[in-house]
Amino acid sequence: GESVGLHLPTLSVQEGDNSIINCAYSNSASDYFIWYKQESGKGPQFIIDIRSNMDKRQGQRVTVLLNKTVKHLSLQIAATQPGDSAVYFCAEVNSGTYKYIFGTGTRLKVLA
Amino acid sequence: SQTIHQWPATLVQPVGSPLSLECTVEGTSNPNLYWYRQAAGRGLQLLFYSVGIGQISSEVPQNLSASRPQDRQFILSSKKLLLSDSGFYLCAHNGQTGNTIYFGEGSWLTVV
Repeated sequence: GESVGLHLPTLSVQEGDNSIINCAYSNSASDYFIWYKQESGKGPQFIIDIRSNMDKRQGQRVTVLLNKTVKHLSLQIAATQPGDSAVYFCAEVNSGTYKYIFGTGTRLKVLA
Repeated sequence: SQTIHQWPATLVQPVGSPLSLECTVEGTSNPNLYWYRQAAGRGLQLLFYSVGIGQISSEVPQNLSASRPQDRQFILSSKKLLLSDSGFYLCAHNGQTGNTIYFGEGSWLTVV
């Protein structure tokens, strides 16, 4: 379900290291998943998506992994940079409903 | 290309006053439209979504309402604001593909 009313967990990572942000989703009927990045005071921006018939998808410096057995999604960012500092949200959707439900969000802090 | 506009960007309103936030989408037709709310430092809560003109689905019973008078226009309203209505309101649409939703820049509402 929706994780609202919860303070955001924070992940602190040294610049240049890899970051792994995790997300647990709730609906086993969800068949499409998206990661968003939200910078302070702005709307969330699309990063990468994955369909439920895949377990891994790679983009530029980012990889999304999907484990449907345990309903878990992760976002890996390679060689984390200061510009990666933001809040990251996962979203799940059952494409038959077009209702997008967001996870709690994780704040990523990149340490110089 | 598709663009989404929200206004006003910031708003300070007294308790008990009405509210109207507007969202318009360009570059696409018959989009699904969404209103989300985000309390400071917290996750995204789905408020309303619409799959067509005059079709509104409400996700959370509350002091707010939504309307879709035109295909690419989505309005969030309240007759009497509460302090708890303060937050960051985000409009989104699902673009041409329908698989991913894209957010506007958000509207900051402070109820005093």
